[in-house]
Formats: sequence, C-alpha cells, structure tokens
Amino acid sequence: NAGVTQTPKFQVLKTGQSMTLQCAQDMNHNSMYWYRQDPGMGLRLIYYSASEGTTDKGEVPNGYNVSRLNKREFSLRLESAAPSQTSVYFCASIPGRGGNEKLFFGSGTQLSVL
Amino acid sequence: EDQVTQSPEALRLQEGESSSLNCSYTVSGLRGLFWYRQDPGKGPEFLFTLYSAGEEKEKERLKATLTKKESFLHITAPKPEDSATYLCAVQVPGSARQLTFGSGTQLTVLP
Repeated sequence: NAGVTQTPKFQVLKTGQSMTLQCAQDMNHNSMYWYRQDPGMGLRLIYYSASEGTTDKGEVPNGYNVSRLNKREFSLRLESAAPSQTSVYFCASIPGRGGNEKLFFGSGTQLSVL
Repeated sequence: EDQVTQSPEALRLQEGESSSLNCSYTVSGLRGLFWYRQDPGKGPEFLFTLYSAGEEKEKERLKATLTKKESFLHITAPKPEDSATYLCAVQVPGSARQLTFGSGTQLTVLP
C-alpha cells in the first residue's frame, strides 16, 4: 500500500516563484493536513481539511493556499515563495474528521527558497 | 499558550544501555498525548497514544508513561535500529484537529 504520497521530494525555488506541492492518499481517509518542519522547532500545522470541499487554517497559514481537489488529494500552493518558507513539508491524513486519531504521514518535500 | 518541551535534544547510548526521553507539557487540559518516531528523510510514524495520568503502553523495547505534567519514553536495552528522532505531541479539548508538537529528541544507539 502506498499510503500518503507526496511530490516532489526535493525542490529549489527562487524568491518570488510559485509552486504547488502535491499530496495523495489511498486509504480513503477523510481528513488531510499540511505541516512544516523546521530545525529546532516542532511540526507546525499550515492548513487542514476535515472533509472534501472544506479547508481551515492552522497555526502558520500566511503565504500558503490549499485545495482539497477530491477525497484523495490535498495540494499546497506557494504563490510567491520567500526564503522563510525554506522547510520540509509533510502531508498527513487520518480516517475521521478530527479527534484522537493517529496521523499517517507522507515522506516529505524538502523545499529551499533562494 | 500550549507548550510541549522535549529533553534532551540529543542522546547517544551504547547498545543495551537503557534510558528515558522526556516530554513535558503545559496545556489547558489534555485530550491525548502522542509519541511518534521519525527516521532521517522520512515522515513521522505513530508509536503510542496516552489519554490519562497513570496510563502506560509498551511496544517491543519502548514503554511510554504519562503523568499530569509529563510523559516518558523508556527505552530498554536499545539496539542501533532504535536510532531515530522521537517526537511527542499533545491534543487539547477544543482543538480536535490540531496537535502541538515538541521539537523532538534525536536518539543515536551505538553498536
């Protein structure tokens, strides 16, 4: 089983460029999440989607947009990348719509903004 | 503000040398405390969920415990394959969709 698949695995952007990080899960999960992970800091939630057609802001949403394309796919877009967005991005999912459920993570996208 | 602090930041052990990792939290109520393992270049992988003080859970060489202020991840007779970063996270009432993560403890087990 693939689980949660993220593309690309690595990306280098110049300041001001845009890009979309893709995430797809094949577990029929309802909720999907985007986190960023920076050295010395915990994972921080950017956006989440509790069900198809709904999205909500997390702790650090500024500079990002998301789209829940269907139940399987949840994309993260950087419209005008900034060096502060250099990070490792993780997509995750859970079966339900929130609560005490374990997160299933993808393997991450390492993004560098020069 | 909810806070999660993990210590130590890094820990080096010899194979077979048991130790504990700490996760202390300051939250307004606790709905659940989660432990994850993260290998280099990979996403975190779920280990345990603890819900109330006094609760314990075990998996192979790992045992997680919970008090009202902190959680410990005890590693008994570790092996090199236990080397990873261990993350804890808390969920509080009213934030059903958000976890607050600690910054992790990087564990290295030397053969």
